[in-house]
Amino acid sequence: AQSVTQLGSHVSVSEGALVLLRCNYSSSVPPYLFWYVQYPNQGLQLLLKYTSAATLVKGINGFEAEFKKSETSFHLTKPSAHMSDAAEYFCAVSLMEYGNKLVFGAGTILRVKS
Amino acid sequence: GAGVSQSPSNKVTEKGKDVELRCDPISGHTALYWYRQSLGQGLEFLIYFQGNSAPDKSGLPSDRFSAERTGGSVSTLTIQRTQQEDSAVYLCASSFDSGSYEQYFGPGTRLTVT
Repeated sequence: AQSVTQLGSHVSVSEGALVLLRCNYSSSVPPYLFWYVQYPNQGLQLLLKYTSAATLVKGINGFEAEFKKSETSFHLTKPSAHMSDAAEYFCAVSLMEYGNKLVFGAGTILRVKS
Repeated sequence: GAGVSQSPSNKVTEKGKDVELRCDPISGHTALYWYRQSLGQGLEFLIYFQGNSAPDKSGLPSDRFSAERTGGSVSTLTIQRTQQEDSAVYLCASSFDSGSYEQYFGPGTRLTVT
């Protein structure tokens, strides 16, 4: 069975500082991996995805993530935080043989301090 | 173009009543997914459709929950005899087909059972 663990339910950074949100996955076969962002009272927006092509994936709003098979990790980073990055971030995994349904981590709330 | 839409955006109902939640996927998307987001359980998969059939209903929490999709487009999630633990945000997503990686989410329906 697939599962996702996000370390840290809350992360706080200063504006301009590095953002690092951690995600580890468990899957019997190489999965597809995703990061979604959710702003208050809104749906989920896809930030980026890994689908077995390049291991370093670039997404929207300056975010990127690196797939590391040996560490079963898919951490999300951004070099310089903006106030507008404050939101909740979800890491997710899917497998094609399960219709690509998403299994989500518990989420990390990112706070950006001015 | 138009994204995934859901209605109503908010629904307050009394315990024991039935409710219907509607999802309009992106035009041309054959795969449709329902998820539930609640404080205690996070984001959970409920059911997915490929066309009008539902190959995976494994996430439906009880037989009070059902869903249908007609015409390969609009889907309705029905909860019978609602309970307070059904209070959550119900999210719908669609993708081009179940082999596609990207799911596009609607804004959700917030259900409150009093």
